Amino acid sequence: EAQVTQNPRYLITVTGKKLTVTCSQNMNHEYMSWYRQDPGLGLRQIYYSMNVEVTDKGDVPEGYKVSRKEKRNFPLILESPSPNQTSLYFCASSARRGQGTSEQFFGPGTRLTVL
Amino acid sequence: GIQVEQSPPDLILQEGANSTLRCNFSDSVNNLQWFHQNPWGQLINLFYIPSGTKQNGRLSATTVATERYSLLYISSSQTTDSGVYFCAVVPHTGGFKTIFGAGTRLFVKA
Repeated sequence: EAQVTQNPRYLITVTGKKLTVTCSQNMNHEYMSWYRQDPGLGLRQIYYSMNVEVTDKGDVPEGYKVSRKEKRNFPLILESPSPNQTSLYFCASSARRGQGTSEQFFGPGTRLTVL
Repeated sequence: GIQVEQSPPDLILQEGANSTLRCNFSDSVNNLQWFHQNPWGQLINLFYIPSGTKQNGRLSATTVATERYSLLYISSSQTTDSGVYFCAVVPHTGGFKTIFGAGTRLFVKA
């Protein structure tokens, strides 16, 4: 089954404790992306990647790191989480199409709470 | 940067009613999608529609790229249609950033 998976689905942690949220897709997509969703602010893009070793900032990259060492995986790293990073996080992937991308497929989301 | 505006922000319908949701964008786009976020938080693809018209069952969508808007039509609404509907665009300029609208929150009453 074609899908985007994220782990963990739920996480409660404390300020400053490094964490990684994994994202994997099995559709051989070139494009992968991370978003956060907050009440009143909607969905905002954190980072995206057009291919292996190619990443770029979205609208809210501060406090996050990403890497794209393999095509299927795009982990999101919070090296020193803070309470303002409490949010619902989504990973997405899509194929490259011309100068843009095809439809994005979203993972189930990771609900992160930083105390 | 590009602005994406959705209207109405909130909508309450009686089951069986029809509705039209609108997405306006301020610059040309390479990609436009409509999503439904259900009450459990899942984001479900509805349409990939940078231009033209598509239909899928009771839902259809039209994007008029030259006039920079897209419409999502829901006919014969059902309670399971409740949730938030988002449009998302990838601007023609600015790399491959994706910008979401603020969404339309729909509640369908039985």
